[in-house]
Amino acid sequence: SQKIEQNSEALNIQEGKTATLTCNYTNYSPAYLQWYRQDPGRGPVFLLLIRENEKEKRKERLKVTFDTTLKQSLFHITASQPADSATYLCAPGAPGGSQGNLIFGKGTKLSVKP
Amino acid sequence: EAQVTQNPRYLITVTGKKLTVTCSQNMNHEYMSWYRQDPGLGLRQIYYSMNVEVTDKGDVPEGYKVSRKEKRNFPLILESPSPNQTSLYFCASLSGGAGTGELFFGEGSRLTVL
Repeated sequence: SQKIEQNSEALNIQEGKTATLTCNYTNYSPAYLQWYRQDPGRGPVFLLLIRENEKEKRKERLKVTFDTTLKQSLFHITASQPADSATYLCAPGAPGGSQGNLIFGKGTKLSVKP
Repeated sequence: EAQVTQNPRYLITVTGKKLTVTCSQNMNHEYMSWYRQDPGLGLRQIYYSMNVEVTDKGDVPEGYKVSRKEKRNFPLILESPSPNQTSLYFCASLSGGAGTGELFFGEGSRLTVL
């Protein structure tokens, strides 16, 4: 069955450092992969989408990579700030780009200390 | 303002008492979905709908029903709630066509079944 693993349940880093979060998937080939941010008790908020033919995508201090050979995506936050503290979820899209059973990883809780 | 609205936000009920959680979106999205979120299990998809009158099971559909009679609304029905349905529920709708899928989430509905 399809499986998504976000390698760390929690990640603690110092303000100003780069946070790197990992998302691995098995038993399917997503046409795209998304990253979301979720604050406690709130709904997830979309951050970035990267397609299978893109190696890297950037948005301000965020960078996402997508390696379809390794079946892995890396999510980087550079110059991290305490306000970046949240849980980050990855969600590989359905094969062929169609919507449908969109599933999420369990998330990595990031804490940025001042 | 583009939004997904869920009601109620908080509900305490008793086993067996039918309830409906409403979800409405004002973005004219065709795709809508329901998730539940539990500690240690992450977001799990209950049902989704690709369009009006088209619904499909997600990963955890048991004990739930949905309907999609009009594009903007996608209610979640618990015919006979049980304590294992105590959870935080999120409704979401999807922008764009195939392969562009940014999900917009509601604020969540915290349900407790006694």
